[in-house]
Amino acid sequence: AQSVTQPDIHITVSEGASLELRCNYSYGATPYLFWYVQSPGQGLQLLLKYFSGDTLVQGIKGFEAEFKRSQSSFNLRKPSVHWSDAAEYFCAVGARGATNKLIFGTGTLLAVQP
Amino acid sequence: DSGVTQTPKHLITATGQRVTLRCSPRSGDLSVYWYQQSLDQGLQFLIQYYNGEERAKGNILERFSAQQFPDLHSELNLSSLELGDSALYFCASSVGGGSPIGEQFFGPGTRLTVL
Repeated sequence: AQSVTQPDIHITVSEGASLELRCNYSYGATPYLFWYVQSPGQGLQLLLKYFSGDTLVQGIKGFEAEFKRSQSSFNLRKPSVHWSDAAEYFCAVGARGATNKLIFGTGTLLAVQP
Repeated sequence: DSGVTQTPKHLITATGQRVTLRCSPRSGDLSVYWYQQSLDQGLQFLIQYYNGEERAKGNILERFSAQQFPDLHSELNLSSLELGDSALYFCASSVGGGSPIGEQFFGPGTRLTVL
């Protein structure tokens, strides 16, 4: 069965510092991988996605993620965090097949210190 | 603005009652997905409809049902409500229904509070 693990429930970084949010997945084949962001009281916005090809993917708002098959990981990174990045971040895996349903991780809540 | 609309934004009701949540997908999208976000269960996939037909089912309770109408809007019906059904219910839409996977666009959600 597919599953996603985000080991960090809560992370605090200083503004301007670099950020890495961890995501590990379990899936029998190469999955579709996504990172979504949820600001307080808002819906989910797609930051980036990996389907195939280049394992380093660029997203919106200066985020990037790297797919590492050997580690079953898809970590999200940003070189310099802005206060507006404070939000909850969800990693998700999508199956290849007849459905596009997404399986989400438990989320990582990011706080940004001035 | 994702283009997906959900009504109502907030819903407060009592245990044992029945409610209907409504979702209008983005123009041109044929698939609608329902997700439940709660503190104890996180974000869980409930059900997917594609062009009016059920495509996939997740952890959806028997007390819950959904449908997608010919105009592609969808409704999620929750009945015999319990305190534990209090959650944020998201609707998402995408163009396709399966592989190759497409981006899902999420609505702002309906916050359901069961008292």
